Amino acid sequence: QKEVEQDPGPLSVPEGAIVSLNCTYSNSAFQYFMWYRQYSRKGPELLMYTYSSGNKEDGRFTAQVDKSSKYISLFIRDSQPSDSATYLCAMSKPGANSKLTFGKGITLSVRP
Amino acid sequence: EPEVTQTPSHQVTQMGQEVILRCVPISNHLYFYWYRQILGQKVEFLVSFYNNEISEKSEIFDDQFSVERPDGSNFTLKIRSTKLEDSAMYFCASIGTGANYGYTFGSGTRLTVV
Repeated sequence: QKEVEQDPGPLSVPEGAIVSLNCTYSNSAFQYFMWYRQYSRKGPELLMYTYSSGNKEDGRFTAQVDKSSKYISLFIRDSQPSDSATYLCAMSKPGANSKLTFGKGITLSVRP
Repeated sequence: EPEVTQTPSHQVTQMGQEVILRCVPISNHLYFYWYRQILGQKVEFLVSFYNNEISEKSEIFDDQFSVERPDGSNFTLKIRSTKLEDSAMYFCASIGTGANYGYTFGSGTRLTVV
């Protein structure tokens, strides 16, 4: 089983739709959970992070972590064409120097 | 907003040649990383660097790879003898203390080995 698995894409939605992006993981040592956004030929940009289980909301974005199910989600409300990008989940163990383990990413296209 | 700067943005090299990829991390950050992303694949960890030494390296980071922080501002990744399979985007990242989620990534160097 891969350490981090992300729903395959691509995903195309109409403007205004609610988008749900998901990842599962197998390593119970992961404590920090992140979502990155990546535009073509650019570096990943941190969008949301959550420590351990719970929800976190930032504007139109909500990140959820369910450690019991080893499942994380990112919800985007009222999606906009500018949200079109590749979304990567990533996670790490505790420790100041811990590396990130990424999912493969899903490409989202929001149609005007 | 502070950013991580990588140069060059694109490098084409012949197989067997040495390449050096350069990064200027955020000035008050202490932890530095290299990741790579082969086209269509995951972003993969290569190496982490702290206090002028390697803290952790992946299986990918074999003897052909080395990292250096030569002057307190630059952070370099050297590939001694490039192979076709080294073709990828290479990302430098850095974080400060007490925030192991708050990576800042550079825009990457696209390495093409021909």
